[in-house]
Amino acid sequence: AQSVTQLGSHVSVSEGALVLLRCNYSSSVPPYLFWYVQYPNQGLQLLLKYTSAATLVKGINGFEAEFKKSETSFHLTKPSAHMSDAAEYFCAVSVGKGRRALTFGSGTRLQVQP
Amino acid sequence: GAGVSQSPSNKVTEKGKDVELRCDPISGHTALYWYRQSLGQGLEFLIYFQGNSAPDKSGLPSDRFSAERTGGSVSTLTIQRTQQEDSAVYLCASSQGTGDLYEQYFGPGTRLTVT
Repeated sequence: AQSVTQLGSHVSVSEGALVLLRCNYSSSVPPYLFWYVQYPNQGLQLLLKYTSAATLVKGINGFEAEFKKSETSFHLTKPSAHMSDAAEYFCAVSVGKGRRALTFGSGTRLQVQP
Repeated sequence: GAGVSQSPSNKVTEKGKDVELRCDPISGHTALYWYRQSLGQGLEFLIYFQGNSAPDKSGLPSDRFSAERTGGSVSTLTIQRTQQEDSAVYLCASSQGTGDLYEQYFGPGTRLTVT
């Protein structure tokens, strides 16, 4: 079975500072990995995904993530935080034939201080 | 076109009552997923439909939960004899097909409160 662990349920950064949200996965087979963002009272929006191509993945809104197999990690970063980045972020994994349902981490709430 | 829509946006029900939650996927999307987001359990997969294939019900937490998808489009999630632990946000997603190459697009969710 696969699983995802997000370290830190809450992260607070200053506007303009680096954003780093941590995600580690556990899977016995090569995983596909995703980061989703959820703004208040909205559904989930895909930020970026890793599907066994390039290990450094660039997504929307200036976010990127690097797949590191040796560390079983897929951390999300953004060089400079904006106030509009305040939201909850979820890391997710899908494995297996058909790779259907997503298994989500517990989420990290990002606060951006002015 | 329009995204995934869900109705109602909020539902308050008494313990023991049945509820139906509706999902309208993006037109032409053959795959439809239901997830549940709750404080205690996070985001959990419930059920998955793909075309005319038998649904994958492996995530349904009990036999009080069921779902159907009519005509390969609209889906209804039914919870019978609701319990307080069923209180959560129920999210629906659709995708063009199976596999992760097809992005899952999520609806805004239905917030269910069981009193």
